[in-house]
Amino acid sequence: AQSVAQPEDQVNVAEGNPLTVKCTYSVSGNPYLFWYVQYPNRGLQFLLKYITGDNLVKGSYGFEAEFNKSQTSFHLKKPSALVSDSALYFCAVRETGGSYIPTFGRGTSLIVHP
Amino acid sequence: DTAVSQTPKYLVTQMGNDKSIKCEQNLGHDTMYWYKQDSKKFLKIMFSYNNKELIINETVPNRFSPKSPDKAHLNLHINSLELGDSAVYFCASTQDSSGNTIYFGEGSWLTVV
Repeated sequence: AQSVAQPEDQVNVAEGNPLTVKCTYSVSGNPYLFWYVQYPNRGLQFLLKYITGDNLVKGSYGFEAEFNKSQTSFHLKKPSALVSDSALYFCAVRETGGSYIPTFGRGTSLIVHP
Repeated sequence: DTAVSQTPKYLVTQMGNDKSIKCEQNLGHDTMYWYKQDSKKFLKIMFSYNNKELIINETVPNRFSPKSPDKAHLNLHINSLELGDSAVYFCASTQDSSGNTIYFGEGSWLTVV
């Protein structure tokens, strides 16, 4: 079985400060991990994914995420937050070789204050 | 051009009515999906179609019937609408059934009154 947890409903950060949105996962084998962003009244947009290779993955809009197998985490990070980064962020996981449908976390609302 | 487009974007209807949401993707993908996002923003898979064939049906009531006339279209028909059906419905697609990147439509906001 696969599951994903986003422990924070909301993250607040000041513009220009670094941001982290947390995600932990549980799978039977190796994970495929994803981050998506949803702006108000819009669909989800793909940000980045980890399939294999380097643990640090770089994605769209200056975001990156680090795969940590020992901690089963895949936290989303950005060195300097922008007000326009304010949105809902979803982490997702799927097992390799299992169902190809990812399980999504409950989402974390990121609010960047000017 | 919008990669995954769905219509209508907003739909308000009365309980008991039947309604449809249409979805089309121009990405040449083989696999399409319907997701439901509830008021708490929780996202749940409803159906998955690969090349017009149903491959996943996640315990969705029979009142929901997807139809895929070709691999570029996946429409969602809902019979006898209930208050609890109010949600945002997202159509999505991937290159194939093992595709890793999901492309979502903009969503259809359904309100049942």
